[in-house]
Amino acid sequence: EPEVTQTPSHQVTQMGQEVILRCVPISNHLYFYWYRQILGQKVEFLVSFYNNEISEKSEIFDDQFSVERPDGSNFTLKIRSTKLEDSAMYFCASSEAGGTEAFFGQGTRLTVV
Amino acid sequence: AQTVTQSQPEMSVQEAETVTLSCTYDTSENNYYLFWYKQPPSRQMILVIRQEAYKQQNATENRFSVNFQKAAKSFSLKISDSQLGDTAMYFCAFMKLNTDKLIFGTGTRLQVFP
Repeated sequence: EPEVTQTPSHQVTQMGQEVILRCVPISNHLYFYWYRQILGQKVEFLVSFYNNEISEKSEIFDDQFSVERPDGSNFTLKIRSTKLEDSAMYFCASSEAGGTEAFFGQGTRLTVV
Repeated sequence: AQTVTQSQPEMSVQEAETVTLSCTYDTSENNYYLFWYKQPPSRQMILVIRQEAYKQQNATENRFSVNFQKAAKSFSLKISDSQLGDTAMYFCAFMKLNTDKLIFGTGTRLQVFP
């Protein structure tokens, strides 16, 4: 069964460093998303991406964040200068179309020290 | 702004019994989607069930069914014949039409006991 895969499963980085989280969405999906879940809190929307551009983003997704689909298969989230409060589980998701089922990856746990 | 509230942080149920997880939401929209997602200890979130607000009929997927009360803005999940594999976090989520953003509740941790 097709699935969304994320790498790495756990990333530890020093405050101020850049980090790139990688995702491979399901191949025929057209919509891509990043969500995050700070430990013990709710899952929060960060950004959606369609047709090679951001279609929607939350207030969390500031200038420190960027997304890219560099090669038609990977979908990446870059955090330019990490802060302690960026520590969270980051989930990638994809869907065939808007409003349909979003398939989630297993998440990347980011720890900023 | 839309909000989703899950008032039960934890629930437990015995195997083979029925359990209901509650969810309420707040929106001024008339048409939208509602979802229940399951997040087992392996962490990957899996869609359990989906409801379109314009449909009056409650969605059902095997042992999972919802009680959708649009006027009350309530969307509870009923799990019948609970199984040990149902142990997980359950998230209720809302999506406006013409947007791709899921708004999640804080989740309910369900433990199924043998």
